[in-house]
Amino acid sequence: QSVLTQPPSVSAAPGQRVTISCTGSRSNIGAGYDVHWYQQVPGTAPKLLIYGNRHRPSGVPDRFSASKSDISASLAITGLQAEDEADYYCQSYDVGLTESVVFGGGTKLIVL
Amino acid sequence: EVKLVESGGGLVEPGGSLRLSCAASNFMFGSFRMNWVRQAPGKGLQWVSTISSGSENVYYADSVKGRFTISRDNPEKSLYLQMNRLTAEDTGVYYCVRTVGTKGSEFDFWGQGTPVTVSS
Repeated sequence: QSVLTQPPSVSAAPGQRVTISCTGSRSNIGAGYDVHWYQQVPGTAPKLLIYGNRHRPSGVPDRFSASKSDISASLAITGLQAEDEADYYCQSYDVGLTESVVFGGGTKLIVL
Repeated sequence: EVKLVESGGGLVEPGGSLRLSCAASNFMFGSFRMNWVRQAPGKGLQWVSTISSGSENVYYADSVKGRFTISRDNPEKSLYLQMNRLTAEDTGVYYCVRTVGTKGSEFDFWGQGTPVTVSS
């Protein structure tokens, strides 16, 4: 059971737009901690996709965007491409019973 | 380009020990917090441990506290994870990861990972 909740999978056709949600609580996202997003192509290491709730590292296409509100965050991908098929993880920091870095359970994006 | 190369993974029996290493290059290693993140087979990412730039502060996930020890050698640009009393639940790929800032900051560069299998 992950501290941050993501849908197990989402799917859409090429060219379409898809969103992935990440729901936390008052002890992590709702406490003001940033949300970061990672993309993991099967068999490879995760790659930073979005940092600080909405910022893209150099080299990440502007088809990827993200936002944060209250206890949730979301990642949006527009103009979906076959190469976007991967697992996506959100990450934040939790100050509940014990302080720790927390990840969402991951969402598998299927490009139909 | 930032490079992180893990080594030391392998097959170990339950109750055994293993020491992972991570060799860093192409950045000022001693200026960054470093982390270990693991991924069990077919599962998601799990933070394991963090060490501050000068080793003053170390942090552990509850699941490994008292069994794992994180350390670093800044002149050698190396990060380590000593893992003791291993169980099957510790099986997975272990990633060496750089953090940009303080707690809550993003993990901006990841190594390729080293696999650990705990089995008899």
